[in-house]
Amino acid sequence: GAVVSQHPSRVICKSGTSVKIECRSLDFQATTMFWYRQFPKQSLMLMATSNEGSKATYEQGVEKDKFLINHASLTLSTLTVTSAHPEDSSFYICSAGTDAYEQYFGPGTRLTVT
Amino acid sequence: KQEVTQIPAALSVPEGENLVLNCSFTDSAIYNLQWFRQDPGKGLTSLLLIQSSQREQTSGRLNASLDKSSGRSTLYIAASQPGDSATYLCAVFGGKLQFGAGTQVVVTP
Repeated sequence: GAVVSQHPSRVICKSGTSVKIECRSLDFQATTMFWYRQFPKQSLMLMATSNEGSKATYEQGVEKDKFLINHASLTLSTLTVTSAHPEDSSFYICSAGTDAYEQYFGPGTRLTVT
Repeated sequence: KQEVTQIPAALSVPEGENLVLNCSFTDSAIYNLQWFRQDPGKGLTSLLLIQSSQREQTSGRLNASLDKSSGRSTLYIAASQPGDSATYLCAVFGGKLQFGAGTQVVVTP
């Protein structure tokens, strides 16, 4: 149980375009979902926390207008990187849980902006 | 501000040796500590979760200890195998999960 999927696993987009990443909890209802970003050989950094039906809470330094998060249902959250630039290239990982104490992680999405 | 440090950053051992991975954190006000495994280009696999009231957790060849007062946790992997090669991350939860940068482990046959 407690499986979280992400789609796509890899995406390449051109600079200036937007890309959407989906995070789904497959066998449980996730009231809270989290989005992390990981640079090579660095730790995961929390970007934002989203609760179903409400606005996401962004961490300090994360641009809300660049990283749009939607948590429309108890099984789906999306992260849209708007007007992507090469510096947005990274590994994005989502997690989901019924509370923040125990999170189940997705397999990650490798974003490359050319 | 919580800071999580993992030392060493990389470790290479011959097959069969025991692995000892260290994690330290600066703020002892945590609810739990978790160890994860991450394979290259992949997501996280949870290995062990230790609640703040616990001192250790065991699963198979893995044993993790927690000393909250000193801000330390150690992950022991007994009789290492090449399949244990991966990056191991520790994370503390004190309102949100905060990760260390990981220890990259290579087990040579």
